[in-house]
Amino acid sequence: SQQGEEDPQALSIQEGENATMNCSYKTSINNLQWYRQNSGRGLVHLILIRSNEREKHSGRLRVTLDTSKKSSSLLITASRAADTASYFCATRQAGTALIFGKGTTLSVSS
Amino acid sequence: ETGVTQTPRHLVMGMTNKKSLKCEQHLGHNAMYWYKQSAKKPLELMFVYNFKEQTENNSVPSRFSPECPNSSHLFLHLHTLQPEDSALYLCASSQDQGGAGANVLTFGAGSRLTVL
Repeated sequence: SQQGEEDPQALSIQEGENATMNCSYKTSINNLQWYRQNSGRGLVHLILIRSNEREKHSGRLRVTLDTSKKSSSLLITASRAADTASYFCATRQAGTALIFGKGTTLSVSS
Repeated sequence: ETGVTQTPRHLVMGMTNKKSLKCEQHLGHNAMYWYKQSAKKPLELMFVYNFKEQTENNSVPSRFSPECPNSSHLFLHLHTLQPEDSALYLCASSQDQGGAGANVLTFGAGSRLTVL
C-alpha cells in the first residue's frame, strides 16, 4: 500500500523562486528519502533524513522531518530551469524496501 | 549512466510474445529491485532480491517472472502480457536490503514497455 503522498501534485514557479514540496506518510519509519526523476528517466537519490533527525541540507536542498506529524518537506532554493523534474519521497521501515509516493511535478520557467 | 544499466530501453510486444528485460549493476551492491511506473500512479515495488535470494514478491501476476543469477544481474521475463502492463520498468540496486541500513537506491534509466 502507498506509504508516502506528496503535495502538491504539480507546482509551477519562476526561476529564482523557492519551491516547497511536502510528503505525508502513515506509519513509523526508519528513514525518509527524496528522489528526482527527469522525464522518462530513472530516479536519482537527492537526500536522506533519518527518523532521529529534524533537518538536513545539501546544496540548495533543505529537508525537514516531523515524525509527530508524519510529514516531511523538501525546499529547493533559488530554482533553476534545470530543476524541472518530478520529485518523490520514499519511506523505509526497518527491513523493508522503499515505498514511493506519486510525486510532485515541478516546472521552473525562465 | 548511473552504474545500473537496463536493456532494452524501449520494447514493443504483442500479448502472445515472450521477451525479457535485463538489468546489470556495476556498483558491487547486493540487493536488486524491479519497480513498475505507470502514469499517475506511485512507483510499484514488484520484486526484491537480496544476495540473489528473492525476499519480496509484491503480489505480482505470474506473467512476470524474475530471475537473479548473481548479485550483478537481474532479469524480468515477460509472457502473455496485457495492454495494462504497458509502463516504465525500473531496475534499482542498493548495498543490501535487510536490517536498519539506509537502503539508498541507485536506479537504471528504465525500460519503456508497450504491449499491443
